[in-house]
Amino acid sequence: ETGVTQSPTHLIKTRGQQVTLRCSSQSGHNTVSWYQQALGQGPQFIFQYYREEENGRGNFPPRFSGLQFPNYSSELNVNALELDDSALYLCASSLEGGHTEAFFGQGTRLTVV
Amino acid sequence: GQQLNQSPQSMFIQEGEDVSMNCTSSSIFNTWLWYKQDPGEGPVLLIALYKAGELTSNGRLTAQFGITRKDSFLNISASIPSDVGIYFCAANPGGSARQLTFGSGTQLTVLP
Repeated sequence: ETGVTQSPTHLIKTRGQQVTLRCSSQSGHNTVSWYQQALGQGPQFIFQYYREEENGRGNFPPRFSGLQFPNYSSELNVNALELDDSALYLCASSLEGGHTEAFFGQGTRLTVV
Repeated sequence: GQQLNQSPQSMFIQEGEDVSMNCTSSSIFNTWLWYKQDPGEGPVLLIALYKAGELTSNGRLTAQFGITRKDSFLNISASIPSDVGIYFCAANPGGSARQLTFGSGTQLTVLP
């Protein structure tokens, strides 16, 4: 077990709604990244947070936004949900700097209907 | 954007056989990693590679970072039933193991 916990584990939302997913990072880890994994695909990098600021972003529209809190936990917010947003959303925590690997949580399965 | 081409897409092997899978790219990456993902779980790191030409082992797993920095392979020796799962390569153009680009995965099935 990595120590990275995500909530909720499963979620069903209606197209057009907004959703917030949560992640608690592994103890001592100050960097959180979010990934979207569509069925049958590899994870795709959404963005990364360090010191409560976004410091890297993948090819995702602005309706995907996030927050990092002083305790390093993080939220992923998605507005105006689309059917294609249905996916497993993964959070990974790590230490900034050097050769430090990211450890993933178990993910939140989001279904948009 | 940068893409990783992972092959094969799936493999069916007999228990005890060796397995090899690889990942290639048209772009240079300075960090390569291999992950395993079980159903309903997040990816678990198997091996991280930070230097071109590096060959690293983790038990029955061996991975290499290609000299051109555009490819990597993973070998699993003497496969066992618990090796079943999806294996992903991942890479970063810098020296970081974060903000990763992932391959599309290799589904491994081990037959008794």
